[in-house]
Amino acid sequence: GAVVSQHPSWVICKSGTSVKIECRSLDFQATTMFWYRQFPKQSLMLMATSNEGSKATYEQGVEKDKFLINHASLTLSTLTVTSAHPEDSSFYICSAYQTQNNEQFFGPGTRLTVL
Amino acid sequence: QKEVEQDPGPLSVPEGAIVSLNCTYSNSAFQYFMWYRQYSRKGPELLMYTYSSGNKEDGRFTAQVDKSSKYISLFIRDSQPSDSATYLCAMSASAAGNKLTFGGGTRVLVKP
Repeated sequence: GAVVSQHPSWVICKSGTSVKIECRSLDFQATTMFWYRQFPKQSLMLMATSNEGSKATYEQGVEKDKFLINHASLTLSTLTVTSAHPEDSSFYICSAYQTQNNEQFFGPGTRLTVL
Repeated sequence: QKEVEQDPGPLSVPEGAIVSLNCTYSNSAFQYFMWYRQYSRKGPELLMYTYSSGNKEDGRFTAQVDKSSKYISLFIRDSQPSDSATYLCAMSASAAGNKLTFGGGTRVLVKP
C-alpha cells in the first residue's frame, strides 16, 4: 500500500504556543488530504478536508482560525494548532486520498500534549 | 444518537476462535463500508472495503453488509494474538476515499 508519513510523531508544548504537524504522501500525489483528531479510547473525528491549492473545508464545530491547514503541494499538507491549550491535547491523524485505488491511506499519527 | 454505533468492547477471545464484530448506522445514504485495524498509537490500516450490500471475503476476513438493516459485520477466522487491536468501521456516502464517518472502535484481545 501507499505510504503516508507524519512529523513529528509526538510533541509537547506549552500552553499558548503554536505547533505545526506535517503530513506527507511519500509515493503518490494526493490532491485531497484529511485531518482527524482522536481522543483516548474514542474514534477518529474528521476535522477538515484539505485540497491542494485551495482553502480547506472544516467540519462543523472546528475552529478554522485555530486549526490552520495548508496544502501547498500534492504531497504535503500541514496542520498548525495555534495558541494551543491543554484541551487541544490529542492524537492527530492525517490521511491522503489516492484516486487510483479510491482509498485513503493514513499516517501514523502525531500525539500532541499541551502543558 | 451517533451516526455509526459500535460496541467498544473489549472483546476477548482465545487464539483460533472466530472474532465477530459489527456496526449499526442510521444514515441510509452510506454506500461504501470499510473496516480498519488500528494498533495502539498508530494510524488505521484498511482491512476490507465493500460497496453496497453483500459479502466479501479476503483470507481470514469476511465482511458483510446488510443495508436493509443498516448493519455491517466483520468476521476474523482462526484469530491470532497479532489480531489484537482496535477495529474501526467506517462509512461513506460518496466514495470510499472521500469523507468517512467512523464508528467508535471495538478493542479486540486474542489470548494465546
